[in-house]
Amino acid sequence: DTAVSQTPKYLVTQMGNDKSIKCEQNLGHDTMYWYKQDSKKFLKIMFSYNNKELIINETVPNRFSPKSPDKAHLNLHINSLELGDSAVYFCASSQGGGGYEQYFGPGTRLTVT
Amino acid sequence: GNSVTQMEGPVTLSEEAFLTINCTYTATGYPSLFWYVQYPGEGLQLLLKATKADDKGSNKGFEATYRKETTSFHLEKGSVQVSDSAVYFCALSPNNAGNMLTFGGGTRLMVKP
Repeated sequence: DTAVSQTPKYLVTQMGNDKSIKCEQNLGHDTMYWYKQDSKKFLKIMFSYNNKELIINETVPNRFSPKSPDKAHLNLHINSLELGDSAVYFCASSQGGGGYEQYFGPGTRLTVT
Repeated sequence: GNSVTQMEGPVTLSEEAFLTINCTYTATGYPSLFWYVQYPGEGLQLLLKATKADDKGSNKGFEATYRKETTSFHLEKGSVQVSDSAVYFCALSPNNAGNMLTFGGGTRLMVKP
């Protein structure tokens, strides 16, 4: 069983479009995250979310928004896509707050043309 | 703010060589420290962690010790294998409810037979 899954694995789209990436975890965790990995492999946290609190990295443009239909899902919506949004996006989950291991999904490679 | 600095790669070693990847951090309070590994085309996997000063994390022959006095968490392995070839990320978590990981820039390890 895949612990953290993401769809799609690859996403190619044009500038200005709106797209979503889905994430599901079957670990029963209560906290989920989105990370962005750029072409140089640098990883940056975008959001941390549980059913009580959304924490947003202040550097993330408001074109990005997380949406959680339930505890097991955290989808990433991106509006008005830009070339600089091209990256690999990783979803992750953990049991709770600090010190807990985060389990990562396989990543979604987004290419904006 | 929090930050993690790790040695730039790539690090190229012969099989059975000794590995050290340096990692230092800046953080307020007492964060938890992690090493994650990313194999080609995959998501990140936790390699080891330490949650307080002087703790030693270990897994699969890899070790790292949480050194508060030098704010370091260097990764070591006594004898690397070709299968250890991957990108290694040092990270910290501030131990609060958000648990958002701050990553270093990653170090690519290439092990030659």
